[in-house]
Amino acid sequence: KQEVTQIPAALSVPEGENLVLNCSFTDSAIYNLQWFRQDPGKGLTSLLLIQSSQREQTSGRLNASLDKSSGRSTLYIAASQPGDSATYLCAVKETSGSRLTFGEGTQLTVNP
Amino acid sequence: DAGITQSPRHKVTETGTPVTLRCHQTENHRYMYWYRQDPGHGLRLIHYSYGVKDTDKGEVSDGYSVSRSKTEDFLLTLESATSSQTSVYFCAISPQDLPTDTQYFGPGTRLTVL
Repeated sequence: KQEVTQIPAALSVPEGENLVLNCSFTDSAIYNLQWFRQDPGKGLTSLLLIQSSQREQTSGRLNASLDKSSGRSTLYIAASQPGDSATYLCAVKETSGSRLTFGEGTQLTVNP
Repeated sequence: DAGITQSPRHKVTETGTPVTLRCHQTENHRYMYWYRQDPGHGLRLIHYSYGVKDTDKGEVSDGYSVSRSKTEDFLLTLESATSSQTSVYFCAISPQDLPTDTQYFGPGTRLTVL
């Protein structure tokens, strides 16, 4: 059974800092890995999707990497802003079906 | 934002009563999903649909049923609600089931079963 773990569970940083969120998964038979953002009381918003054949994806200040063989992904946020405060979730899509398996998320607070 | 609405947004009900949650999309996407989100468990898939009248079970399907009679609507029914079904329920949609397809999420329904 696929398990997805995110470390740390919570992170508080001062504005302007570069930071890294970590995600690990136990089964490397995946189609893709996705990073989502969730604001309090809201749904999830897709940030980046990395296909299994790719190593990284970038969008603005966000860069996500994937090392499928080691079962790891990182989300790098450059020059963090208070508006980046949210919970970040990673999810893997397995090759064996339509299911996304989610981690529990990292709650990020960026202090002004 | 993807055109996904969920209704109701909040509901309080009593143990043993039936409850139906509705997900409506305007994107004409083929795939629709129901998840629940709970502290300590993250998001878990309940059921999903890959077309009108085509559905399949997810990880935590016991106690839930679904129906999809139209492309745009996906209903989740709790036949006899229990306190363990208190949760936040999210609907998601996806164009297909390709490795390049992400899922777009609705705003959620907070359900409390007393």
